[in-house]
Amino acid sequence: GDSVTQMEGPVTLSEEAFLTINCTYTATGYPSLFWYVQYPGEGLQLLLKATKADDKGSNKGFEATYRKETTSFHLEKGSVQVSDSAVYFCALSDGGGSNYKLTFGKGTLLTVNP
Amino acid sequence: DVKVTQSSRYLVKRTGEKVFLECVQDMDHENMFWYRQDPGLGLRLIYFSYDVKMKEKGDIPEGYSVSREKKERFSLILESASTNQTSMYLCASTLPGRSEQFFGPGTRLTVL
Repeated sequence: GDSVTQMEGPVTLSEEAFLTINCTYTATGYPSLFWYVQYPGEGLQLLLKATKADDKGSNKGFEATYRKETTSFHLEKGSVQVSDSAVYFCALSDGGGSNYKLTFGKGTLLTVNP
Repeated sequence: DVKVTQSSRYLVKRTGEKVFLECVQDMDHENMFWYRQDPGLGLRLIYFSYDVKMKEKGDIPEGYSVSREKKERFSLILESASTNQTSMYLCASTLPGRSEQFFGPGTRLTVL
């Protein structure tokens, strides 16, 4: 079945540091890929997405590129802020028989210190 | 903006009680989902629904049931709550034909 593996946290960075959170996936079809963010005490929000190979999703300074050859969708940001402290989830939606279900990674807690 | 609301942010129940968690979305979404979120396990799908009165089991349906009598409302039912159902419960919905999901704020359920 489908699966998503993301780097385990917690990740602790200083403000303005470079961020990478690794995500790799296994899927039988041609999935769409997502990064969701969960701020403390809130539900998940869609951060960015990519629907086909070589697509780059971007939002709020975050980027991720859909790499089919390495089955990866790593999240990056050039300069993190304290307000980026949150849990980040990588997810996929398989375009096969169950179009609308998401498979999530376990989440990575990011803490950014001033 | 899409809005997904959940009936309670925090809930405390006793073992053996019947528990109802309600989710309402205001954008005419056809697809709705219930997840539970546990530390180190991420989000796991309990049940989902493609339309009114339609439901399908997710990855961990045991101990849960659902009801979808109206398009905007999707209820999760714990028939007899147990301590291992203490968790954060998240509801989500999707636009027709789209795969990105919109989440509610979550209900943190504690079963004593």
